This record gives sequence, C-alpha cells and structure tokens, in this order.
Amino acid sequence: AQSVTQLDSQVPVFEEAPVELRCNYSSSVSVYLFWYVQYPNQGLQLLLKYLSGSTLVESINGFEAEFNKSQTSFHLRKPSVHISDTAEYFCAVSGRGGSEKLVFGKGTKLTVNP
Amino acid sequence: DTGVSQNPRHKITKRGQNVTFRCDPISEHNRLYWYRQTLGQGPEFLTYFQNEAQLEKSRLLSDRFSAERPKGSFSTLEIQRTEQGDSAMYLCASSLDGGLGYTFGSGTRLTVV
Repeated sequence: AQSVTQLDSQVPVFEEAPVELRCNYSSSVSVYLFWYVQYPNQGLQLLLKYLSGSTLVESINGFEAEFNKSQTSFHLRKPSVHISDTAEYFCAVSGRGGSEKLVFGKGTKLTVNP
Repeated sequence: DTGVSQNPRHKITKRGQNVTFRCDPISEHNRLYWYRQTLGQGPEFLTYFQNEAQLEKSRLLSDRFSAERPKGSFSTLEIQRTEQGDSAMYLCASSLDGGLGYTFGSGTRLTVV
C-alpha cells in the first residue's frame, strides 16, 4: 500500500518569490509520482509526473519536481510564482505494476499575494 | 473532444433519498475512475473500470454505493439512502494508459441536508 504526506497545508508567498511544496511518500513497491493542481471550482489537472528516467521533471508553466528515492520525496518547486499560480496542489502516488488507483495527499493551498 | 464531462455539477438532496451521477469520459479512453473528495482532503479512490468491467472497489464503497459502465462508455454512480456523511465532491477521471496520469472532470458536488 502507498501513502502520501504533504507537509504544509497552506503556503502563502509574494509574487515573483520562489516556492517549494513538499511531498513525501511511502510504498513497499516502486512508484509513479504525480502533482495535480486544482483551481477553485474546477477538477484536478495533471501538472507533471515521474514515471522513469531523469529524476527531474518539468511542467510547461515553470514548475519542476525532483524524485529523490533515498528520501522518498517528490517536492514541487517554482523559482518565481505568479498570482495565477494560486491554487491547491496535490501530490499523488501509484504503485508500479499493481493497482491503477492513485493515492493522494491532503493538498497544499498555495496563495500568491501581490 | 471536450474532456471528461460530469453531470450534474451540483446536487442537493434530502437525507434518505437516492441520487445518481453521470460521467462521460474522453471517448478513446478505456479506463474510468471514481474518486470522492471531502473538504480539506485529497481525493479518495472509490472504484475503477476497464471498459465495462469493474476491476477494483474501495472499502469506502459501501453497499449503498453502486457504479456501472454498461457499454464501456459513460458511467453512473448511484448512492442509495443518502446520509449527511455522503456530502462531498465526486470526481470522475478517465485514462488510456492506466495509472500513468488521468484526466479529471470538474466533479459533482453533493450536499445532503
């Protein structure tokens, strides 16, 4: 079975500041890792994913996440945030070769202030 | 292709009533998933289908819940004898390649009064 811990429930930052949203997971098998973003009153959108290969993955809007197997982490970072990045961010994990279900963390609410 | 469509967007019902939600996945996706999201929590897995076969069900899916995908296209999720604890956002997602990344719908928000 898998579990996900998002260490911060809320992260307030100023516009153009860097941000890191932390995610740790536990699993008895190898995993796939995901970050989803949820804007108010909308469904979840896939932001980026780690399946294999390079441990650093990037999204089209400037976010990146690094898979660290030894620390069982998949932290999300952006060097300079915009007001439009205000949303809730969910880290999720699924086990390789087993159940297709995703296990989500409780989410981190990112608020970007002017 | 308009993505994953869920109807209705909102549903208010009295305790004890039955409700049914519908999900239309992306047309070429053969996998369909249902999740439930309560306030302050991440989505929790309920069940998933590959084509018309229901392959996995969570313990969260009590006897009052039933999901179907009769022709491997749209799916329905029915809750019988609703309780206040059923109030949540019900999310549907579809995928072509298993657990490698889903496309979610906007959800159906259920309020049981």
